[in-house]
Amino acid sequence: TQLLEQSPQFLSIQEGENLTVYCNSSSVFSSLQWYRQEPGEGPVLLVTVVTGGEVKKLKRLTFQFGDARKDSSLHITAAQPGDTGLYLCAGSNSFPNDYKLSFGAGTTVTVRA
Amino acid sequence: DAMVIQNPRYQVTQFGKPVTLSCSQTLNHNVMYWYQQKSSQAPKLLFHYYDKDFNNEADTPDNFQSRRPNTSFCFLDIRSPGLGDAAMYLCATSAGGIYEQYFGPGTRLTVT
Repeated sequence: TQLLEQSPQFLSIQEGENLTVYCNSSSVFSSLQWYRQEPGEGPVLLVTVVTGGEVKKLKRLTFQFGDARKDSSLHITAAQPGDTGLYLCAGSNSFPNDYKLSFGAGTTVTVRA
Repeated sequence: DAMVIQNPRYQVTQFGKPVTLSCSQTLNHNVMYWYQQKSSQAPKLLFHYYDKDFNNEADTPDNFQSRRPNTSFCFLDIRSPGLGDAAMYLCATSAGGIYEQYFGPGTRLTVT
């Protein structure tokens, strides 16, 4: 199993502030996904990054995949209370198990109004 | 347009009383997964089906079983639930060879 470390574990910020969540590993991943999970619900896929150095933007969210495909970051600009949730990064394992994901422990983000 | 449906959303069972959780999908994905998630931790993979092939994770207790009668449905059976089995159970699907997994809303299991 390939391990992913997320930091920070908890993040509490005021509405309008920016935040960054990090996802790091010593292993190379074929792809990396970010999910957001609200209390009592299942994780919802936000984005998939595949190419080293790739940057994807989803409205106020910016996702980056490291050049070596071992790390990723999620940056939220001008956070809103609706961004509150558990953010999980997950990497695809090596072939032939590339349909199985290794999850980070998650970052709990709280955005205060 | 629910794609992965789990029933029930909340399940209460007694210690040692068998319980079955169900999952259905409208995505026609060939891979279905069951995860256990406890209190804001990462989901932990219990097992998955790749088509009809069942794959158990090495550390999944024997108390947990699964059935997949057809492409659309998958069941999680807990033969003798213990207090430590209280958790959120998540079903997910993916198209084999594609990385993304799509999760259902989960079933919150309480064991009394």
